[in-house]
Formats: sequence, C-alpha cells, structure tokens
Amino acid sequence: AQSVTQLDSHVSVSEGTPVLLRCNYSSSYSPSLFWYVQHPNKGLQLLLKYTSAATLVKGINGFEAEFKKSETSFHLTKPSAHMSDAAEYFCVVSDRVNQGGKLIFGQGTELSVKP
Amino acid sequence: KAGVTQTPRYLIKTRGQQVTLSCSPISGHRSVSWYQQTPGQGLQFLFEYFSETQRNKGNFPGRFSGRQFSNSRSEMNVSTLELGDSALYLCASSPGGQYNSPLHFGNGTRLTVT
Repeated sequence: AQSVTQLDSHVSVSEGTPVLLRCNYSSSYSPSLFWYVQHPNKGLQLLLKYTSAATLVKGINGFEAEFKKSETSFHLTKPSAHMSDAAEYFCVVSDRVNQGGKLIFGQGTELSVKP
Repeated sequence: KAGVTQTPRYLIKTRGQQVTLSCSPISGHRSVSWYQQTPGQGLQFLFEYFSETQRNKGNFPGRFSGRQFSNSRSEMNVSTLELGDSALYLCASSPGGQYNSPLHFGNGTRLTVT
C-alpha cells in the first residue's frame, strides 16, 4: 500500500532563510509524488510533481524537491523563504487504481515565516 | 481558462438533513474527484468520476454519494448528516484522471453540521 509521512507538523523559519519540509514515502512500485500547498480558506495548488523523469524536480515559486529512492524521501526545499510562503504543505503519493488514481495525502506541514 | 468552481462556499446544516455540493471542472477535464478535509483525519479520498461513471471509491459510508453529468460537472450528496461530517469538501479535476496526472483543486465547500 502507498503512504506518505511528513516528518514535521510545523516548521518555523525567518524570512530569507532556507526552507526544508521533510517527506518519506512508501510504495510498492515506482511512485508518482507531488507537493501541494494550501493557503488559508483556499483549495490546494500544485507546487511540483515527480514522475520518474528526473530526480531533482523544480516547481513554482522557487521550490524544488529531490527524489531519493534509497532513502524513500521526497523533501521540499527553497533557498530563501518569503512571507507569502506561509501556508500548509502536503506531500502526496498517487495510488494507481482502476485505470485512474487517487491521491494519498500526508498529514501536512504548517510553515510559518517570521519577519 | 476558468479553474475548478465549487458552490456553495459555505453551508450550515442540521443533523439529519441532507446536502448537495456542486463542482464544475476545468473545461475539457473529464475526471472529477472529491476529497474530505478535517483537522483530525486530514485529506481523505471520497470518490472519482470519469465520463459519468464512478471509477473509484474511498472508505466512506453509503450516505456519501455522487454523480457526474454529461458536461463533466459533478455533484456529491450527503444524506442523514452527522456532526462528524463537518469538513471542507474539495473537488478536483484532471483531463483523464491518470494516476500520475496532477489534480486541479477548487476552493472547497465548507460544511458545518449543527
């Protein structure tokens, strides 16, 4: 069965410092992994996706993630945090079912950015 | 291109009532999925529709149902509401619903059951 574990429920950084949000996954086959962001009272927005083309994936707003099969990790990073990055971030694995898929979400990491 | 539109944004219902939520996917998208988001359980998959057929279903009781119309618009219905059904319900669409396709989410319908 597919699953994801986000290792931190809350991360706090200062503006201008690096961001690291950690995610480990479990999958019985080559996974499709995503990071989504959710701002308050909003839906989810796709940041980036990994589908086996390249292990380092670049996303929107300066975020990137590295797929490490040996560590079963897919951590999200950004070199310099901005106040607008404050939101909840979800690591997601897609489960293949019946010719389609369903997303399995981690519990989320709330990112706070201090001025 | 318009995004995924969910209506209404907010709903307040009483225990025992039923409710219908609506979702209009991005034009050209044929797959619509529904997710429930609560503080305790996080985001959980409800079901997915593709070309008017329910293709996948999550582990929710039969009180939760849905349908998809020929124009790909979808509705979900919850009957005999319980307090625990209070949640943000998110709809998402994708062109074909393949497992590795990103989903495009609406802003959700926040349901409060009193």
